Amino acid sequence: GAGVSQSPSNKVTEKGKDVELRCDPISGHTALYWYRQSLGQGLEFLIYFQGNSAPDKSGLPSDRFSAERTGGSVSTLTIQRTQQEDSAVYLCASSLAGTGYGKLFFGSGTQLSVL
Amino acid sequence: GNSVTQMEGPVTLSEEAFLTINCTYTATGYPSLFWYVQYPGEGLQLLLKATKADDKGSNKGFEATYRKETTSFHLEKGSVQVSDSAVYFCALRKNEKLTFGTGTRLTIIP
Repeated sequence: GAGVSQSPSNKVTEKGKDVELRCDPISGHTALYWYRQSLGQGLEFLIYFQGNSAPDKSGLPSDRFSAERTGGSVSTLTIQRTQQEDSAVYLCASSLAGTGYGKLFFGSGTQLSVL
Repeated sequence: GNSVTQMEGPVTLSEEAFLTINCTYTATGYPSLFWYVQYPGEGLQLLLKATKADDKGSNKGFEATYRKETTSFHLEKGSVQVSDSAVYFCALRKNEKLTFGTGTRLTIIP
């Protein structure tokens, strides 16, 4: 497809379970971002991948969160031992080199609900 | 650290009214500034940007001017339409990361 694709669009899980969220960026975009959007909050930066450089993980809220990007394309965000406070919309975005002059292309997000 | 503070919503206006959504920022150096918009059922998309002081970004009738002296980037539109109903996010870019505000929900009534 032409845009950033995220799956699943909705995920309901039980507290303590692990979840994996997937992001397919736009082909040719070297930069990939994960953000989290909680009710009443702004977009919280989680992690940033740029080409083959080491990712910027400075936004990950705890060691239960991790992400990888395989082959410079698809990315997976993993949350281990989910907690209720992890409930949020997880957004992926991609751009051309670096921040592509600030033009990030966002996916529609994964709505995560932890019961 | 870097932060963005924007006008709390929700904001409800009648069609053809004048719109202002306030945005101020805190950052070291000279960040680039952006407004993103999220229409109902759609993903966030870039609305406009400004990369240096006194620059004016504009798109779809919206404008915002980078004011270094007041560290502001207020969004304005002279005559809003029902189709402008959306959530608007102010953001700054520093060191390859975008920092977003909390968003302002705008509803335009016919």
